[in-house]
Amino acid sequence: KQEVTQIPAALSVPEGENLVLNCSFTDSAIYNLQWFRQDPGKGLTSLLLIQSSQREQTSGRLNASLDKSSGRSTLYIAASQPGDSATYLCAAVNTGTASKLTFGTGTRLQVTL
Amino acid sequence: GAVVSQHPSRVICKSGTSVKIECRSLDFQATTMFWYRQFPKKSLMLMATSNEGSKATYEQGVEKDKFLINHASLTLSTLTVTSAHPEDSSFYICSASLSALLAKNIQYFGAGTRLSVL
Repeated sequence: KQEVTQIPAALSVPEGENLVLNCSFTDSAIYNLQWFRQDPGKGLTSLLLIQSSQREQTSGRLNASLDKSSGRSTLYIAASQPGDSATYLCAAVNTGTASKLTFGTGTRLQVTL
Repeated sequence: GAVVSQHPSRVICKSGTSVKIECRSLDFQATTMFWYRQFPKKSLMLMATSNEGSKATYEQGVEKDKFLINHASLTLSTLTVTSAHPEDSSFYICSASLSALLAKNIQYFGAGTRLSVL
Protein backbone atom coordinates (compact mmCIF):
# COMPACT_ATOMS: atom_id res chain seq x y z
CA LYS A 1 0.00 0.00 0.00
CA GLN A 2 1.39 3.37 -1.05
CA GLU A 3 2.12 5.86 1.72
CA VAL A 4 2.99 9.45 1.01
CA THR A 5 4.66 11.69 3.57
CA GLN A 6 5.42 15.39 3.42
CA ILE A 7 7.97 17.23 5.48
CA PRO A 8 7.82 19.76 7.00
CA ALA A 9 4.18 19.91 8.09
CA ALA A 10 4.41 23.69 8.33
CA LEU A 11 6.86 26.28 7.15
CA SER A 12 7.12 30.05 7.56
CA VAL A 13 9.54 32.07 5.47
CA PRO A 14 10.05 35.75 4.74
CA GLU A 15 9.10 37.07 1.34
CA GLY A 16 11.75 36.58 -1.34
CA GLU A 17 13.24 33.38 -0.01
CA ASN A 18 13.67 30.29 -2.10
CA LEU A 19 12.26 27.18 -0.48
CA VAL A 20 11.93 23.43 -0.93
CA LEU A 21 9.03 21.22 0.03
CA ASN A 22 9.61 17.50 0.36
CA CYS A 23 7.46 14.53 -0.53
CA SER A 24 8.34 10.87 0.09
CA PHE A 25 6.55 7.79 -1.13
CA THR A 26 7.03 4.17 -0.14
CA ASP A 27 6.15 2.38 -3.37
CA SER A 28 8.34 3.41 -6.31
CA ALA A 29 6.03 1.81 -8.90
CA ILE A 30 4.32 5.10 -9.57
CA TYR A 31 2.67 6.18 -12.78
CA ASN A 32 3.05 9.85 -12.01
CA LEU A 33 3.18 12.36 -9.19
CA GLN A 34 1.38 15.67 -8.84
CA TRP A 35 1.77 18.74 -6.71
CA PHE A 36 -1.36 20.64 -5.71
CA ARG A 37 -2.09 23.85 -3.93
CA GLN A 38 -5.01 24.19 -1.50
CA ASP A 39 -6.11 27.50 -0.07
CA PRO A 40 -7.96 27.44 3.29
CA GLY A 41 -11.43 25.94 2.93
CA LYS A 42 -11.03 25.55 -0.80
CA GLY A 43 -10.51 22.83 -3.36
CA LEU A 44 -7.29 21.82 -5.05
CA THR A 45 -5.41 23.47 -7.86
CA SER A 46 -2.97 21.32 -9.82
CA LEU A 47 0.46 22.91 -10.04
CA LEU A 48 2.73 20.38 -11.69
CA LEU A 49 2.45 16.79 -12.86
CA ILE A 50 5.55 14.63 -13.38
CA GLN A 51 5.30 11.41 -15.32
CA SER A 52 7.35 8.48 -14.06
CA SER A 53 9.70 8.82 -17.04
CA GLN A 54 10.45 12.45 -16.25
CA ARG A 55 12.85 13.88 -13.69
CA GLU A 56 11.42 17.36 -13.37
CA GLN A 57 8.81 19.82 -14.48
CA THR A 58 8.85 23.60 -14.36
CA SER A 59 6.12 26.22 -14.34
CA GLY A 60 7.09 29.81 -13.67
CA ARG A 61 8.69 30.03 -10.24
CA LEU A 62 7.89 26.41 -9.47
CA ASN A 63 10.08 23.42 -10.19
CA ALA A 64 9.21 19.88 -9.21
CA SER A 65 11.66 17.00 -9.32
CA LEU A 66 11.13 13.26 -9.11
CA ASP A 67 13.52 10.53 -8.02
CA LYS A 68 11.70 7.23 -8.17
CA SER A 69 14.61 5.15 -6.95
CA SER A 70 14.79 7.04 -3.68
CA GLY A 71 11.03 7.55 -3.43
CA ARG A 72 11.25 11.33 -3.29
CA SER A 73 9.90 14.41 -4.96
CA THR A 74 10.62 18.03 -4.19
CA LEU A 75 8.81 21.23 -5.01
CA TYR A 76 11.08 24.23 -5.32
CA ILE A 77 9.54 27.68 -5.07
CA ALA A 78 11.75 30.56 -6.12
CA ALA A 79 11.46 34.09 -4.80
CA SER A 80 8.48 33.33 -2.57
CA GLN A 81 5.61 35.81 -2.29
CA PRO A 82 2.84 36.27 0.30
CA GLY A 83 0.40 34.98 -2.34
CA ASP A 84 2.19 31.65 -2.25
CA SER A 85 0.84 31.08 1.27
CA ALA A 86 -1.27 27.93 1.11
CA THR A 87 -1.10 24.22 1.82
CA TYR A 88 0.85 22.22 -0.73
CA LEU A 89 -0.07 18.59 -1.31
CA CYS A 90 1.72 15.96 -3.31
CA ALA A 91 -0.12 12.93 -4.64
CA ALA A 92 1.10 9.76 -6.30
CA VAL A 93 -0.68 7.48 -8.71
CA ASN A 94 0.56 3.92 -8.76
CA THR A 95 0.63 1.84 -11.86
CA GLY A 96 -2.43 -0.32 -12.24
CA THR A 97 -4.56 1.65 -9.79
CA ALA A 98 -6.87 3.38 -12.28
CA SER A 99 -5.77 6.94 -11.55
CA LYS A 100 -6.29 6.74 -7.80
CA LEU A 101 -4.44 9.56 -6.11
CA THR A 102 -2.70 8.85 -2.81
CA PHE A 103 -2.19 12.18 -1.10
CA GLY A 104 0.44 13.27 1.35
CA THR A 105 -0.50 15.13 4.53
CA GLY A 106 0.57 18.47 3.10
CA THR A 107 2.91 21.31 3.99
CA ARG A 108 1.29 24.49 5.23
CA LEU A 109 3.35 27.40 3.90
CA GLN A 110 3.21 30.95 5.16
CA VAL A 111 5.20 33.65 3.41
CA THR A 112 5.51 36.76 5.53
CA LEU A 113 6.13 40.33 4.49
CA GLY B 1 -9.53 25.09 -17.93
CA ALA B 2 -12.36 22.80 -16.97
CA VAL B 3 -14.64 23.90 -14.16
CA VAL B 4 -16.13 21.70 -11.49
CA SER B 5 -18.80 23.24 -9.30
CA GLN B 6 -19.58 21.81 -5.90
CA HIS B 7 -22.64 22.80 -3.91
CA PRO B 8 -23.23 23.69 -1.15
CA SER B 9 -19.93 25.11 0.00
CA ARG B 10 -20.97 24.80 3.61
CA VAL B 11 -23.79 23.01 5.38
CA ILE B 12 -24.75 22.70 9.02
CA CYS B 13 -27.28 20.06 9.95
CA LYS B 14 -28.75 18.30 12.94
CA SER B 15 -27.69 14.81 13.87
CA GLY B 16 -29.85 12.19 12.18
CA THR B 17 -30.66 14.18 9.07
CA SER B 18 -29.39 13.44 5.56
CA VAL B 19 -27.34 15.84 3.51
CA LYS B 20 -26.85 15.87 -0.25
CA ILE B 21 -23.78 17.36 -1.90
CA GLU B 22 -23.71 18.02 -5.62
CA CYS B 23 -20.73 17.96 -7.96
CA ARG B 24 -21.16 19.30 -11.46
CA SER B 25 -18.79 19.49 -14.40
CA LEU B 26 -19.77 22.74 -16.09
CA ASP B 27 -18.00 22.65 -19.41
CA PHE B 28 -17.17 19.02 -20.05
CA GLN B 29 -18.76 15.60 -19.73
CA ALA B 30 -17.26 13.75 -16.82
CA THR B 31 -17.27 10.00 -17.29
CA THR B 32 -15.65 9.55 -13.90
CA MET B 33 -16.05 11.43 -10.64
CA PHE B 34 -14.19 10.92 -7.39
CA TRP B 35 -15.27 11.79 -3.86
CA TYR B 36 -12.71 12.59 -1.19
CA ARG B 37 -12.91 13.34 2.51
CA GLN B 38 -10.45 15.53 4.36
CA PHE B 39 -10.14 15.63 8.15
CA PRO B 40 -8.63 18.72 9.81
CA LYS B 41 -4.88 18.89 9.20
CA LYS B 42 -5.02 15.52 7.46
CA SER B 43 -4.70 14.53 3.89
CA LEU B 44 -7.45 13.76 1.41
CA MET B 45 -8.77 10.23 1.55
CA LEU B 46 -10.49 8.75 -1.48
CA MET B 47 -13.95 7.56 -0.53
CA ALA B 48 -15.30 6.28 -3.82
CA THR B 49 -15.03 6.38 -7.58
CA SER B 50 -18.16 6.73 -9.66
CA ASN B 51 -18.57 6.14 -13.35
CA GLU B 52 -21.58 7.54 -15.14
CA GLY B 53 -24.42 5.08 -15.28
CA SER B 54 -22.90 2.46 -13.01
CA LYS B 55 -22.58 1.81 -9.30
CA ALA B 56 -19.83 3.57 -7.41
CA THR B 57 -16.75 1.70 -6.27
CA TYR B 58 -16.09 2.36 -2.61
CA GLU B 59 -12.73 2.27 -0.88
CA GLN B 60 -12.14 -0.14 1.94
CA GLY B 61 -13.70 1.07 5.17
CA VAL B 62 -16.20 3.44 3.55
CA GLU B 63 -19.81 2.49 4.25
CA LYS B 64 -21.74 2.55 1.00
CA ASP B 65 -25.07 2.66 2.79
CA LYS B 66 -23.88 5.65 4.77
CA PHE B 67 -22.43 7.56 1.85
CA LEU B 68 -24.74 7.17 -1.13
CA ILE B 69 -23.26 8.16 -4.46
CA ASN B 70 -25.24 8.71 -7.62
CA HIS B 71 -23.74 9.53 -11.02
CA ALA B 72 -26.80 9.56 -13.21
CA SER B 73 -25.53 11.95 -15.86
CA LEU B 74 -22.25 12.95 -17.43
CA THR B 75 -22.30 16.29 -15.66
CA LEU B 76 -23.64 15.51 -12.20
CA SER B 77 -22.69 13.30 -9.30
CA THR B 78 -24.21 13.51 -5.84
CA LEU B 79 -23.01 12.34 -2.45
CA THR B 80 -25.66 11.86 0.21
CA VAL B 81 -24.55 11.48 3.80
CA THR B 82 -27.40 9.54 5.37
CA SER B 83 -28.36 9.90 9.03
CA ALA B 84 -25.45 12.20 9.63
CA HIS B 85 -23.67 12.17 12.98
CA PRO B 86 -21.07 14.53 14.44
CA GLU B 87 -18.26 12.17 13.42
CA ASP B 88 -19.29 12.72 9.79
CA SER B 89 -18.32 16.37 10.10
CA SER B 90 -15.56 16.91 7.59
CA PHE B 91 -14.54 18.61 4.36
CA TYR B 92 -15.76 16.71 1.30
CA ILE B 93 -14.22 17.33 -2.12
CA CYS B 94 -15.19 15.95 -5.50
CA SER B 95 -13.17 15.73 -8.67
CA ALA B 96 -14.16 14.96 -12.23
CA SER B 97 -12.44 13.61 -15.27
CA LEU B 98 -13.04 11.91 -18.58
CA SER B 99 -11.38 8.91 -20.11
CA ALA B 100 -8.86 10.72 -22.26
CA LEU B 101 -7.75 12.90 -19.37
CA LEU B 102 -7.92 10.12 -16.84
CA ALA B 103 -5.30 8.25 -18.80
CA LYS B 104 -3.04 11.23 -18.12
CA ASN B 105 -4.22 11.37 -14.52
CA ILE B 106 -5.89 14.73 -14.90
CA GLN B 107 -8.72 15.42 -12.49
CA TYR B 108 -10.46 18.73 -11.93
CA PHE B 109 -11.44 19.46 -8.35
CA GLY B 110 -14.43 21.20 -6.88
CA ALA B 111 -14.07 23.81 -4.15
CA GLY B 112 -15.24 21.44 -1.45
CA THR B 113 -18.13 21.28 1.03
CA ARG B 114 -17.67 21.85 4.74
CA LEU B 115 -20.17 19.64 6.60
CA SER B 116 -20.84 20.33 10.27
CA VAL B 117 -23.20 17.97 12.09
CA LEU B 118 -24.51 19.25 15.41
